[in-house]
Amino acid sequence: NAGVTQTPKFRVLKTGQSMTLLCAQDMNHEYMYWYRQDPGMGLRLIHYSVGEGTTAKGEVPDGYNVSRLKKQNFLLGLESAAPSQTSVYFCASNLGREQYFGPGTRLTVT
Amino acid sequence: SQQGEEDPQALSIQEGENATMNCSYKTSINNLQWYRQNSGRGLVHLILIRSNEREKHSGRLRVTLDTSKKSSSLLITASRAADTASYFCATVSRGGATNKLIFGTGTLLAVQP
Repeated sequence: NAGVTQTPKFRVLKTGQSMTLLCAQDMNHEYMYWYRQDPGMGLRLIHYSVGEGTTAKGEVPDGYNVSRLKKQNFLLGLESAAPSQTSVYFCASNLGREQYFGPGTRLTVT
Repeated sequence: SQQGEEDPQALSIQEGENATMNCSYKTSINNLQWYRQNSGRGLVHLILIRSNEREKHSGRLRVTLDTSKKSSSLLITASRAADTASYFCATVSRGGATNKLIFGTGTLLAVQP
């Protein structure tokens, strides 16, 4: 099992550009999550999904959209990137209590 | 913000010593979890303690929970250089049906060989 994988690992965007981060899990988990991690802030929940075809807002959803068309994939989109979205993005999934995390995507917006 | 807080923010100890990290949170919880993050990597689950438990052990890890004070502590005994990492507590709120985690701000532990 690959667990939770994220694509890409690194990305540099210019302000106003768009991009999509892909998260994939092969554990048949129902729940999937997108977090961002900033220095000294811990992880903050952006959006989450409780099953295929469902999404919901987390703590910091503004400027992001998500889709869960297939159970194994959870996509995070930035329509018009801003420097404030420079961060490390983590995807996670779970079935029960503990969450399994991907390796992260480091995004820089200039 | 609902985020919890951890202290200390950073901790440096010698190999073989014990490391204690504390976590405070704001809401009533279903459970509290501790995660570890090595530099540049994703988080890895270490241990979970339910709201009706007061103490739990796993190998060299000991977690305590005091729901009246809304606080938890993680003790790592006989630390090793390989324990160097950031440690985060995370809570699942009572009544939540989605297993959403609210993370603390983390403690950076450095174990000197």
